[in-house]
Amino acid sequence: QVQLQESGPGLVKPSQTLSLTCTVSGGSISSGGYYWSWIRQHPGKGLEWIGYIYYSGSTYYNPSLKSRVTISVDTSKNQFSLKLSSVTAADTAVYYCARAPIMVYAIGASNWFDPWGQGTLVTVSS
Amino acid sequence: QSALTQPASVSGSPGQSITISCTGTSSDVGSYNLVSWYQQHPGKAPKLMIYEVSKRPSGVSNRFSGSKSGNTASLTISGLQAEDEADYYCCSYAGSSYVFGTGTKVTVL
Repeated sequence: QVQLQESGPGLVKPSQTLSLTCTVSGGSISSGGYYWSWIRQHPGKGLEWIGYIYYSGSTYYNPSLKSRVTISVDTSKNQFSLKLSSVTAADTAVYYCARAPIMVYAIGASNWFDPWGQGTLVTVSS
Repeated sequence: QSALTQPASVSGSPGQSITISCTGTSSDVGSYNLVSWYQQHPGKAPKLMIYEVSKRPSGVSNRFSGSKSGNTASLTISGLQAEDEADYYCCSYAGSSYVFGTGTKVTVL
């Protein structure tokens, strides 16, 4: 079955760019049919959708983060990545990657997120 | 968008049924049948339990069921078991974005 694994620095300085990668195993990103997502969870709090990407490179972002987010895909490595610029302490969170199926009758929408990676804690601190 | 509103905690005894509400607006829950529910045990990733309001993924117990009325979605757990103790989050498509619920801690007494 498909598995996802996040990787990247656990500590980022304020004003710098957070960079994470999600490696997909057990399935190919380039097969299509799914969006590849980033979701975060602030410590002890709820979940926040960051955005997702299709294998073709089409991206959809949370409007509240759009100015700082870039999601990219590398089909040759079966990976997709997140960059979040100008980070502050408010960006400290566990970052998850997840898969979401496309909906052929509703471009850009999906009906669930599954599976999820185990998550990686990113702390923003000097 | 604001987070969907869920009760902070719900509890029940083994074997009982509990219901978790998830209240949104006409821009999210009320407009789309794209409501999903996730179970999260401490230190673990969320797990999909319900999608499209009331559909159950393969492998999820039929003790879990979902429904929606107006701007409020609900998750019902029947025959409560110790393993159901976890945090639960709802999620709704909101037209070009997604909004999650505030989360509900389910305690099995």
